[in-house]
Amino acid sequence: ETGVTQSPTHLIKTRGQQVTLRCSSQSGHNTVSWYQQALGQGPQFIFQYYREEENGRGNFPPRFSGLQFPNYSSELNVNALELDDSALYLCATRQDLQETQYFGPGTRLLVL
Amino acid sequence: SQQGEEDPQALSIQEGENATMNCSYKTSINNLQWYRQNSGRGLVHLILIRSNEREKHSGRLRVTLDTSKKSSSLLITASRAADTASYFCATDVLDSSYKLIFGSGTRLLVRP
Repeated sequence: ETGVTQSPTHLIKTRGQQVTLRCSSQSGHNTVSWYQQALGQGPQFIFQYYREEENGRGNFPPRFSGLQFPNYSSELNVNALELDDSALYLCATRQDLQETQYFGPGTRLLVL
Repeated sequence: SQQGEEDPQALSIQEGENATMNCSYKTSINNLQWYRQNSGRGLVHLILIRSNEREKHSGRLRVTLDTSKKSSSLLITASRAADTASYFCATDVLDSSYKLIFGSGTRLLVRP
C-alpha cells in the first residue's frame, strides 16, 4: 500500500459529459501528477501540481484540467468526454525534490 | 509519446527461472525507474537507478543502466508465480520537471 487513494474506482460516462476524479496523497507529499493509461499501453503524463500551481503539462488538450488543494489532495477534471478518454487514470504523489513517486490504485473510466 | 521501448513485449517462464526485461530510451535522464503493475491496477515502485550508476540490486531484482546506449535491463532472479505482472520502465528526463515518461511495458507470466 502506498497511502495514496483515488476515487471513484470505476466510472461510466457518456460522450460529451464531464467527469471529476479525486486523489488523496500521503502526508507531506506536496506534489501530485496525473497519468492516463490506455489499455495495453504505458501511462502518459497529463500534468503535475506543486503547492496548488500547475508546473508541468503533457500533450493533453485544455479540456483536461486539475486542481490541488491546500491539504495537497487533487482533482482531475475532464470536459466534453470523448470515447478515447476511456482509460485508467493514475495519480502519483511525492515530496518536493524526492525522486520516487507513489501511485494510487487508479480510476477506470469508460466513456460510451 | 512514449520515451521508452521495452523488449520483449511479453515473456513466459517457468517458476524458478530468471526473467530479463530490457528498456531503451531516447533523451538524457536524471534517473530510470522500474515499476510493476498487477492486472491494470496501480503501479508499484520497484527500483530507481540514477544516471551516474551502472548497476543496482534490491532483493531478487538487479537493474543495469548504460547511458551510452540509452538502455536498461531488469533481471528478476528465481521467479515466483506472484511475480506475474506487467513491468514498466520510466525515465525522469533531464528537464527538472520530475515527470516520468513510461515505456509500453513487458507482460511477464510465471508458470507454476
